[in-house]
Amino acid sequence: DGGITQSPKYLFRKEGQNVTLSCEQNLNHDAMYWYRQDPGQGLRLIYYSQIVNDFQKGDIAEGYSVSREKKESFPLTVTSAQKNPTAFYLCASSHYDDAKNIQYFGAGTRLSVL
Amino acid sequence: DQQVKQNSPSLSVQEGRISILNCDYTNSMFDYFLWYKKYPAEGPTFLISISSIKDKNEDGRFTVFLNKSAKHLSLHIVPSQPGDSAVYFCAASRPSAGNNRKLIWGLGTSLAVNP
Repeated sequence: DGGITQSPKYLFRKEGQNVTLSCEQNLNHDAMYWYRQDPGQGLRLIYYSQIVNDFQKGDIAEGYSVSREKKESFPLTVTSAQKNPTAFYLCASSHYDDAKNIQYFGAGTRLSVL
Repeated sequence: DQQVKQNSPSLSVQEGRISILNCDYTNSMFDYFLWYKKYPAEGPTFLISISSIKDKNEDGRFTVFLNKSAKHLSLHIVPSQPGDSAVYFCAASRPSAGNNRKLIWGLGTSLAVNP
């Protein structure tokens, strides 16, 4: 079955700690995205990548970092510089040349601070 | 600046009746509009889209209407079912520099369909 896998489902971060959220897709999509959702809020774009070894900042990139070494993988690191990391994190992917930009999402990772 | 607005945070309808979810936008450069459905603790799933050159697109119980002059679109669900209870997001797509495309998201409308 093709899809997007995010792990872990739940993650806890200690003060001053960096944590990495995994996102893997087997849809052969070129583009991948990371979003953050807070309670009662919409989706805010953190980072996105259109091709391997290239990525751009979204609207709220501060305190986050990403890498795109493989087409299938787009991990997100929440650094200690992100002072309010508690949120629901969503990874998505799409075809690069899809004019509609239909994005397909993983099941999400809920990050909490200890 | 909220380019895509869903002004109703919540909506409640009776099973079997019509649900109408509304979305307004400000940027006339958007060329596609999409609706997503999201259950709690899950990722959004794509429902239906419409091109800016169309005024209606239908897929089963779901129909999206676009009024370009009013910069307004709506999602109609007929008949509504309890399983339709979810948060619905409106999103808009437009080309930008370097052929990068992003989706601009509304804040969502929580639909409750009561049996």
